[in-house]
Amino acid sequence: AIQMTQSPSSLSASVGDRVTITCRASQDITHDLGWYQQKPGKAPKLLICGASSLQSGVPPRFSGSGSGTEFTLTISSLQPDDFANYFCLQTYTFPYSFGQGTKLEIK
Amino acid sequence: EVVLSESGGGVVQPGGSLRLSCAASGFTFSNYAMTWVRQAPGKGLEWVSHITGSGGTSYSADSVKGRFAISRDNSRNTLYLQMDSLGAEDTALYYCAKGMRYGSAWYTDFWGRGTLVTVSS
Repeated sequence: AIQMTQSPSSLSASVGDRVTITCRASQDITHDLGWYQQKPGKAPKLLICGASSLQSGVPPRFSGSGSGTEFTLTISSLQPDDFANYFCLQTYTFPYSFGQGTKLEIK
Repeated sequence: EVVLSESGGGVVQPGGSLRLSCAASGFTFSNYAMTWVRQAPGKGLEWVSHITGSGGTSYSADSVKGRFAISRDNSRNTLYLQMDSLGAEDTALYYCAKGMRYGSAWYTDFWGRGTLVTVSS
């Protein structure tokens, strides 16, 4: 099974900061990667699919990039609503697998 | 409006069984793959199982293969997860999620609120 390694596991940042979260796959997954946001007590929300395709309604300050084995989620200017947990998901081959998650906290 | 409502969770002894259900509405259920994802308390997301719209093909995580079985009844718009030989490591909130096709991959665009499974003696 493909292993997804996400970093950092936690991150402290301030409103207005630019932040980047990384996911590395244990093998080439082309562009088959998604990013999810989860707030405490809530179900995850799909932000990005296909490594870089922003879901409808997701603010453009979110962007995704990468291919092969290395992928990034970037938030260009953090807003108060963005402090949450973020997970990557490889969708290249079954069984799919999530990264361990990144907790984005307010500094 | 898409609504997914999980049920069937509870407390079960190690080695026991449970069947989770997910009632779906607001979309043509048989047209979409469905997925179960779980989350242990305070932990990350774990992809569990996926089933095609027809129910003819399914996939499961190695951690549950041979113990869990995903199925669906398209006449009832309901997804199931039969869980056998449960262990403490299966304690989690179980979410069902609607599939969203993107290229050759499946993502999940709508999620239920989850049902909690606790394995404890």
